Amino acid sequence: EVQLVQSGAEVKKPGESLKISCKGSGYSFTSYWIGWVRQMPGKGLEWMGIIYPGDSDTRYSPSFQGQVTISADKSISTAYLQWSSLKASDTAMYYCARRVRGYSLDYWGQGTLVTVSS
Amino acid sequence: NFMLTQPHSVSESPGKTVTISCTRSSGSIASNYVQWYQQRPGSSPTTVIYEDNQRPSGVPDRFSGSIDSSSNSASLTISGLKTEDEADYYCQSYDSSILVFGGGTKLTVL
Repeated sequence: EVQLVQSGAEVKKPGESLKISCKGSGYSFTSYWIGWVRQMPGKGLEWMGIIYPGDSDTRYSPSFQGQVTISADKSISTAYLQWSSLKASDTAMYYCARRVRGYSLDYWGQGTLVTVSS
Repeated sequence: NFMLTQPHSVSESPGKTVTISCTRSSGSIASNYVQWYQQRPGSSPTTVIYEDNQRPSGVPDRFSGSIDSSSNSASLTISGLKTEDEADYYCQSYDSSILVFGGGTKLTVL
């Protein structure tokens, strides 16, 4: 069974750093792109970027380029999303999802809620 | 890049049929596949239509997708509405490896 399991909710202060994770299982982790999607409170889905764990090829949405870093450790089948300096506006639910051919996202993680507040 | 525009909300009665549109702002809707996701409150999105009109296993055939090049739009049609279909629905397409989501449509079944 394909699963993407994300790390737990985080509460941080502005200026702090953070790295959240997404662990894949039940399939060949290095053969599929993993993407990250933001959903701010009460708002829609926003595409952040994507990584191919097989070779760490990474692409960012122009809106998120330079704001976050996407990485992966294929030895433990885990993708990451990280911030070096959080802002209150980073408060959101973050989902990872597996991208398949046709650019569909067929499996999603359960989401990681990030709250940034002083 | 382009935008995908959806109606903010739609409502319909149980047993009826509803269609949600998704209009692409530039470039041809037919040039890249369109997907549709359902998101119930407090849950992760799930795919109800992929590659314009394909249904994943487990999605009832009450859900169907289509594209219309004349209006440069995609549509999600749900027939025989059930209260469990009440959710947010998002269309999604892509260009040059960048995925684009529509703003989402809240479907109310009343």
